[in-house]
Amino acid sequence: EAAVTQSPRNKVAVTGGKVTLSCNQTNNHNNMYWYRQDTGHGLRLIHYSYGAGSTEKGDIPDGYKASRPSQENFSLILELATPSQTSVYFCASGDRPNERLFFGHGTKLSVL
Amino acid sequence: GDSVTQTEGQVTVSESKSLIINCTYSATSIGYPNLFWYVRYPGEGLQLLLKVITAGQKGSSRGFEATYNKEATSFHLQKASVQESDSAVYYCALSGSSGNKLIFGIGTLLSVKP
Repeated sequence: EAAVTQSPRNKVAVTGGKVTLSCNQTNNHNNMYWYRQDTGHGLRLIHYSYGAGSTEKGDIPDGYKASRPSQENFSLILELATPSQTSVYFCASGDRPNERLFFGHGTKLSVL
Repeated sequence: GDSVTQTEGQVTVSESKSLIINCTYSATSIGYPNLFWYVRYPGEGLQLLLKVITAGQKGSSRGFEATYNKEATSFHLQKASVQESDSAVYYCALSGSSGNKLIFGIGTLLSVKP
């Protein structure tokens, strides 16, 4: 079964601090995605990647950067965290989103 | 733009009763979207429950069914008899046939009472 692992599972950060969320997949999928989930909103796409070295902006990229150093790893970076970025973040991988995506367990981030 | 609407944020159903979770979509830039239901069990990541890519067809999995109704732009999720283990958050989603992303609804939290 395809595996996507996120770390950390929980994170408390201070406003203005730097936060890095990590994601690792063992599926050998080309595409990887970062979503955030907030009450009253569906999962919203922040950044995605087609492969090592590539990153693309999703629907809500402001305040976030992404890095894909290898096929397996995809990071989400908050250079200057703000309380509005308090959320649950999901990483996913897949060959094509219209086929099937595999999700990690999520990272709960609180920015105080 | 394209969107998915789930009208109920939370649904409570007694065990062995029937369930319907409503989902409608708007696909202005996608002529024939692919439609999905994903489920998130407590403490887990989202996983695909079922998908349908052809209008008029029905998808089914684990006792759940959903029919792609192009005329009504709907993809409601139904189950005849729910179990406590079905308690989870259910997300409706769509994507284009060559799209690069999924568009999700807000999710519906299903609580099944014993």
